[in-house]
Amino acid sequence: AQSVTQLDSHVSVSEGTPVLLRCNYSSSYSPSLFWYVQHPNKGLQLLLKYTSAATLVKGINGFEAEFKKSETSFHLTKPSAHMSDAAEYFCVVNPSSNDYKLSFGAGTTVTVRA
Amino acid sequence: GAGVSQSPSNKVTEKGKDVELRCDPISGHTALYWYRQSLGQGLEFLIYFQGNSAPDKSGLPSDRFSAERTGGSVSTLTIQRTQQEDSAVYLCASSLVTGVSGVTQYFGPGTRLLVL
Repeated sequence: AQSVTQLDSHVSVSEGTPVLLRCNYSSSYSPSLFWYVQHPNKGLQLLLKYTSAATLVKGINGFEAEFKKSETSFHLTKPSAHMSDAAEYFCVVNPSSNDYKLSFGAGTTVTVRA
Repeated sequence: GAGVSQSPSNKVTEKGKDVELRCDPISGHTALYWYRQSLGQGLEFLIYFQGNSAPDKSGLPSDRFSAERTGGSVSTLTIQRTQQEDSAVYLCASSLVTGVSGVTQYFGPGTRLLVL
């Protein structure tokens, strides 16, 4: 079984400051992990994914995430927030091969202050 | 290229009525998924289609929910005798392959269903 916990339901940052969105997972296998972003009234867009290659994963729009097996974490960061980063972010786990059912975290809403 | 499209974008219906939600996957994608996003439950898996294989319906919440995929492309999710608790955003996704670790699912914009 696997589950995903996003530790913050809401994060508020000032424009130009770093963003940190925390995610912990539990899995019986070596999982694949994803971060998706959802802007208001839009579908989910893939930011980045980890699939057992490099533990530091770079994604779109300056986001990156680091897979830490010892901490069962996959935190998402961005060095400098932009107003357009205001959205909801989902950490998602896909257990190892042959499992297509994505398991979603509860989501973190990011607010960016001018 | 074109992404996953869904229609309608919004649907308001009365309790007890049937609704049909449509999904057009990315051309060439063999796998298609339906998810539901609701306030109380978050995002949850509903059903999965892969090629001509029997669909995985294990996520459907009740027998009022059904889905089909015609010609290996377009899919329709049908909810019969809608209830207020069916109000949610229904998301469709597709992927090029499946059974491979880390396959990326591409999501459509969703259909926002409101049952009055």
